[in-house]
Amino acid sequence: GEDVEQSLFLSVREGDSSVINCTYTDSSSTYLYWYKQEPGAGLQLLTYIFSNMDMKQDQRLTVLLNKKDKHLSLRIADTQTGDSAIYFCARDSGGYQKVTFGTGTKLQVIP
Amino acid sequence: EAGVAQSPRYKIIEKRQSVAFWCNPISGHATLYWYQQILGQGPKLLIQFQNNGVVDDSQLPKDRFSAERLKGVDSTLKIQPAKLEDSAVYLCASSLELATGEQYFGPGTRLTVT
Repeated sequence: GEDVEQSLFLSVREGDSSVINCTYTDSSSTYLYWYKQEPGAGLQLLTYIFSNMDMKQDQRLTVLLNKKDKHLSLRIADTQTGDSAIYFCARDSGGYQKVTFGTGTKLQVIP
Repeated sequence: EAGVAQSPRYKIIEKRQSVAFWCNPISGHATLYWYQQILGQGPKLLIQFQNNGVVDDSQLPKDRFSAERLKGVDSTLKIQPAKLEDSAVYLCASSLELATGEQYFGPGTRLTVT
């Protein structure tokens, strides 16, 4: 299977919270990342978490890391239509820290 | 601060033709990456430069793809000859340091091979 896996699609109503999940197989990462990709654009780094942390909060974004289960999640509070995009989780692999991206989750926000 | 620039934004070619993409990273960023993003997938690293030296090109199909980063600034990625399966978005990214996932991406070049 893929090294970093995500569900393909998530639909939420505007104002609700969104939770995007990611699982990975290699536990050697130092950092794990969340990127956002809007249509026709490159990826934009949203936030990242050090592998020794369990949680990181940044305004509307909350990242949770469960190292035991190799599970990473991104919670977006008060989801807005502008949050509609594809979200990629990514992890580095130690050494010179090549980054591996997940398959992406398309978030659709319904007004 | 200017972002990562790429050109062209779109390119349509026939199979067996050649194509080249250009990338100008953020000023001062030592590390430059080329990714291939096939529709519905995450970006896959093709090649990574540190200044003008190659750090990782293990996933670059070297029989048809080549890349260079002369003078450690701009970079070009070439495909010769193109195949249908090369249809994808080619993303360039840069970062200040080698060992980081804090990468800044350009808008990409969408390549269609017919």
